[in-house]
Amino acid sequence: DIVLTQAPLSVSVTPGESASISCRSSKSLLSSKGITSLYWYLQKPGKSPQLLIYRMSNLASGVPDRFSGSGSETDFTLKISKVETEDVGVYYCAQFLEFTFGSGTKLEIK
Amino acid sequence: EVKLLESGGGLVQPGGSLRLSCAASGFTFADFYMSWIRQSPGKAPEWLSFIRNKANSYTTEYNPSVKGRFTISRDDTQNVLYLQMNTLRAEDTAIYYCASDGGYSLFDYWGQGVMVTVSS
Repeated sequence: DIVLTQAPLSVSVTPGESASISCRSSKSLLSSKGITSLYWYLQKPGKSPQLLIYRMSNLASGVPDRFSGSGSETDFTLKISKVETEDVGVYYCAQFLEFTFGSGTKLEIK
Repeated sequence: EVKLLESGGGLVQPGGSLRLSCAASGFTFADFYMSWIRQSPGKAPEWLSFIRNKANSYTTEYNPSVKGRFTISRDDTQNVLYLQMNTLRAEDTAIYYCASDGGYSLFDYWGQGVMVTVSS
């Protein structure tokens, strides 16, 4: 089974500063079609998760370009530049080779 | 605007059954794969099942944790997704979401979720 390990568990950020969240996979997420099957979701308080990044580094429609994704076959990073108060919530990475989610990283505002 | 509205949740005794529905609108439902995902309080989402579209013969996939107990189905004439849940256990207590593929991922759009509580 593919396990996704996120770090840190939580992060507290001053508005306007940057934040980075790590996601490490126990196996390569590079599919036979050459697609890196790693996705990032944000679940705002009391809401359903929403897609931020697909296929490791592509911004979903309507997502501010303050969000960016990068990585390799097993190590991935979500970066949020110039954090805003609306970015508060739990960030999950997810892999779609076996459809599992990481345990989440809670972003709070200082 | 894509809208997904789940219904059918509630309190059920262990060993009981429940059928969830997800009414879809704002997109061509028949063209897209549809999924069910659940989330226990304070936990990460857990994928349960997805069903492919007619072009892919409505084939289904299940998480081993629910395979044999849960059945996903869809009615493209009514734009509704279903999840039949049998032999429910306390650990099935969670918010259940339906989600649709939107061209980016299997879970591009999510409903607001419906609570299922399994307890005596």
